[in-house]
Amino acid sequence: GAVVSQHPSWVICKSGTSVKIECRSLDFQATTMFWYRQFPKQSLMLMATSNEGSKATYEQGVEKDKFLINHASLTLSTLTVTSAHPEDSSFYICSSLSGRVYNEQFFGPGTRLTVL
Amino acid sequence: GNSVTQMEGPVTLSEEAFLTINCTYTATGYPSLFWYVQYPGEGLQLLLKATKADDKGSNKGFEATYRKETTSFHLEKGSVQVSDSAVYFCALNRGSSNTGKLIFGQGTTLQVKP
Repeated sequence: GAVVSQHPSWVICKSGTSVKIECRSLDFQATTMFWYRQFPKQSLMLMATSNEGSKATYEQGVEKDKFLINHASLTLSTLTVTSAHPEDSSFYICSSLSGRVYNEQFFGPGTRLTVL
Repeated sequence: GNSVTQMEGPVTLSEEAFLTINCTYTATGYPSLFWYVQYPGEGLQLLLKATKADDKGSNKGFEATYRKETTSFHLEKGSVQVSDSAVYFCALNRGSSNTGKLIFGQGTTLQVKP
């Protein structure tokens, strides 16, 4: 199957700083990527849809100025958590939509963010 | 709105036991249904899927049948192994426009003991 990587796998930062998380599709091109947030023992909540070469589409209740998404190439999408606060601590997961396998998402391993 | 509800875990079974993880959904239109598995420290992997009513998805001994009349997609396996220990997510594809967006259930942790 297709491989999606995320970097870093975990990060600890101070309150008020910004953190960038990268999502890469390693062996296929992805015009669409998704960003999810997962709280402990809870489900994945879709945050936004990232489309290559255009602005991301955010789900209701997600602050676009807080969670900046850039999808500059067909293999890379980045999520930047700006001015992070402890309530932003969570597990962030990305997925890439493969054009080879219709409508199937391939998920990255996730990034654990802890804001002190 | 669209939603997915799974049975709460953790589910603890002995090796070779029969597994059922219940999943029910609420959706408009005709969604596709999925089961994903998340092994410790790894990303989600698609386990199986069904795209229309009465379809049966199967993979690695797991099965689930798309039941429109009961709006269910229960996951079953006849004989679990320790290596099946993981978190299982039921999900549906949202909307008829097939945008690829998924709505997930809350996940069910399966622990299989030797």
